Amino acid sequence: AAGVIQSPRHLIKEKRETATLKCYPIPRHDTVYWYQQGPGQDPQFLISFYEKMQSDKGSIPDRFSAQQFSDYHSELNMSSLELGDSALYFCASSPPPGRSYQETQYFGPGTRLLVL
Amino acid sequence: DAKTTQPPSMDCAEGRAANLPCNHSTISGNEYVYWYRQIHSQGPQYIIHGLKNNETNEMASLIITEDRKSSTLILPHATLRDTAVYYCIVRVVGNTGKLIFGQGTTLQVKP
Repeated sequence: AAGVIQSPRHLIKEKRETATLKCYPIPRHDTVYWYQQGPGQDPQFLISFYEKMQSDKGSIPDRFSAQQFSDYHSELNMSSLELGDSALYFCASSPPPGRSYQETQYFGPGTRLLVL
Repeated sequence: DAKTTQPPSMDCAEGRAANLPCNHSTISGNEYVYWYRQIHSQGPQYIIHGLKNNETNEMASLIITEDRKSSTLILPHATLRDTAVYYCIVRVVGNTGKLIFGQGTTLQVKP
């Protein structure tokens, strides 16, 4: 079965640079979520999109922005990178709201970002 | 969303059942119990979820107490590949809600 695709899988950037992470949801999934997992920490919710509109927002820095496109893929843009942004970034997708089993979130393999 | 409490770590012998408890005493009537696991730095993997009835799938069973204040995830025959951090999460369904990960339980399956 098709899974969530994230690219790139690994990314190395210098401080103050910008980075763009991409997420391609499972086909027919219209909701995308972004999570950040720092070293030794649990995943933390950043932001989500439903039908190309922002649906929820967590502790996402103002330096970060995201959007969902017409084909439902999403991009997380990160500017003025800091050392503390080094983390795993996971994208998850879920089908349209409705019956409970249809709203299960399925995660991608993540993008490992290292800021030097 | 309601908070959950899980033991930080557990051991299990390979081939035996692993029973992972979770307390969610403040769960609301419209909140489901979800279980995910994360195998070292991989993306969290969905295991199972339920509202009030016990659930079973090919991976695990979920037992929810009648008052819904706690639940147990059962891996019937643990293997070394089941070594992971297991997260119990309560979540309202119907609003494309986020998952709030707590500390989880690190399950170590030993030979």
